[in-house]
Amino acid sequence: AQKITQTQPGMFVQEKEAVTLDCTYDTSDPSYGLFWYKQPSSGEMIFLIYQGSYDQQNATEGRYSLNFQKARKSANLVISASQLGDSAMYFCAMRPQTGANNLFFGTGTRLTVIP
Amino acid sequence: ETGVTQSPTHLIKTRGQQVTLRCSSQSGHNTVSWYQQALGQGPQFIFQYYREEENGRGNFPPRFSGLQFPNYSSELNVNALELDDSALYLCASRSGTMNTEAFFGQGTRLTVV
Repeated sequence: AQKITQTQPGMFVQEKEAVTLDCTYDTSDPSYGLFWYKQPSSGEMIFLIYQGSYDQQNATEGRYSLNFQKARKSANLVISASQLGDSAMYFCAMRPQTGANNLFFGTGTRLTVIP
Repeated sequence: ETGVTQSPTHLIKTRGQQVTLRCSSQSGHNTVSWYQQALGQGPQFIFQYYREEENGRGNFPPRFSGLQFPNYSSELNVNALELDDSALYLCASRSGTMNTEAFFGQGTRLTVV
């Protein structure tokens, strides 16, 4: 069974500061992909960053980086230099190699950036 | 803009009715997935189509059905609507390889009364 856990229902961060959103996962698949999506109030899921299970380097995309610790089964998202527009729901997701290769999502973390 | 469009954006239906939601996938994407997102929850996988064939299904009853057309656009049909079907329905498209991100539409918010 596949499971994604996000233990922070809500987080606050001061504008221009960095914030870490936690994500742990559970899978028996040897190969999988890890994703982070941002969901503003409009509803659309916006892709932020991807990490493959065999990637040696942590993924980075602009202000987003993924702190991947395979042995701990964690894939935390780090947002640097937070902006007011970063306020949204953030979802961690995993796509295992087996099955339909669909995404399994966590319950999300609501990030609020304070001016 | 992801290039994935869904229609309608909002819909209100009565319990017991049937509904069809539509999704136009991004150009070149042959895989379309549908997700249900209840209020305050993460999206849950309904089913997936690859080149017009269903190739995966989540834990949803048969009254949730779908189609994919030759141009890779897709429909989600829900029969005998229940109050618990009220949710945001998201469509996602991608190319077939595992390590590609899925691009989501803006969703259809369905309210069943």
